[in-house]
Amino acid sequence: AQKVTQAQTEISVVEKEDVTLDCVYETRDTTYYLFWYKQPPSGELVFLIRRNSFDEQNEISGRYSWNFQKSTSSFNFTITASQVVDSAVYFCALRNLSGYSTLTFGKGTMLLVSP
Amino acid sequence: GAGVSQSPSNKVTEKGKDVELRCDPISGHTALYWYRQSLGQGLEFLIYFQGNSAPDKSGLPSDRFSAERTGGSVSTLTIQRTQQEDSAVYLCASSIGGTSNQPQHFGDGTRLSIL
Repeated sequence: AQKVTQAQTEISVVEKEDVTLDCVYETRDTTYYLFWYKQPPSGELVFLIRRNSFDEQNEISGRYSWNFQKSTSSFNFTITASQVVDSAVYFCALRNLSGYSTLTFGKGTMLLVSP
Repeated sequence: GAGVSQSPSNKVTEKGKDVELRCDPISGHTALYWYRQSLGQGLEFLIYFQGNSAPDKSGLPSDRFSAERTGGSVSTLTIQRTQQEDSAVYLCASSIGGTSNQPQHFGDGTRLSIL
């Protein structure tokens, strides 16, 4: 069985603050993929990043960065200098290599960035 | 460059009626997925299609739920004798293949309300 836990239900920050969204996962597989998706108020889920279990190198894309720590089964997401447009629900998801590998999502973290 | 298209955007119906939700995946995407998003529950996997076959139907909550896909393209999710607990946003996603490293691209969803 696999599971993704996003312990933070809701986070509120003021614009320009940095914010980190936590994601902890459980899986018995040694090979798997981790994803982050953004769901803005419009509703569409937008793919942000994919990370495979063999690659623990952290990644930075503009104001976004991701920290993958296999030892603690975490894949945290940091937004630097947050903006109002970052307000959304963010989902972390896991997909195993085996089987038909459907996505298992966390329950999401709602991020509210106020001006 | 059309994305995943779902219709209708919103559906309100009375308890006990049948409903059909439609998903038009990105052209060329062989894998198609249905998810349900209920308030506070995150995303729940329903069914996965590879081509016209559904190798994984494990997420369908009851026999009132069924789905089909024709021509390796459009999919229809049918809910018979709807109940109030079926109220949710139903999301469809597609990916180039069914392998675990391919990101899934989501539609805007159908918001279903059962009165």
